[in-house]
Amino acid sequence: ILNVEQSPQSLHVQEGDSTNFTCSFPSSNFYALHWYRWETAKSPEALFVMTLNGDEKKKGRISATLNTKEGYSYLYIKGSQPEDSATYLCASTAYSGAGSYQLTFGKGTKLSVIP
Amino acid sequence: NAGVTQTPKFQVLKTGQSMTLQCAQDMNHNSMYWYRQDPGMGLRLIYYSASEGTTDKGEVPNGYNVSRLNKREFSLRLESAAPSQTSVYFCATKGRSGGLTGELFFGEGSRLTVL
Repeated sequence: ILNVEQSPQSLHVQEGDSTNFTCSFPSSNFYALHWYRWETAKSPEALFVMTLNGDEKKKGRISATLNTKEGYSYLYIKGSQPEDSATYLCASTAYSGAGSYQLTFGKGTKLSVIP
Repeated sequence: NAGVTQTPKFQVLKTGQSMTLQCAQDMNHNSMYWYRQDPGMGLRLIYYSASEGTTDKGEVPNGYNVSRLNKREFSLRLESAAPSQTSVYFCATKGRSGGLTGELFFGEGSRLTVL
């Protein structure tokens, strides 16, 4: 079982502030890193998937980077808005042996944006 | 377009009772998954089905059975519910073209309480 760690567990930011949080994962046997956005009372929705070291993805004010050598990914939100309030999940896909791959989710970072 | 539909959304059971969670998708996806979400933990895979007619155990399969009835439907059964199975259950799908980097599409979750 992979150990995918997210930090911080939760954070509160003021509207307009930029913020970032971290996902750490084992770098060995790594295949892909996924970010999901999970609003309260809704279901998780995919934001990004990255596979290559140095990958950067952007969707509006949200962007993500990937470092596969050291095993971390950052998610950045520029100019946070109340509608950005959600739990952000990362998940790592890695080779688990015998031709199989395993997707492991972190516990999430809960972001609250204060108007 | 409903996407992934789970029923029921809420259920309270007594220890030892049985029940089935239903999941149906209209996305024509091959792969279907059942996850559970517990406080302080990441989403954990219970069972998955890579295609119609096949099912495989995930990380936490004990106490559950599944059935891939057809391409659209994937059910999760608790034969004798235990308080440790109190959780929020999510069904998810992934299209064939997605492969290991494909995104998961989640249902809205089923909150199960076992007394």
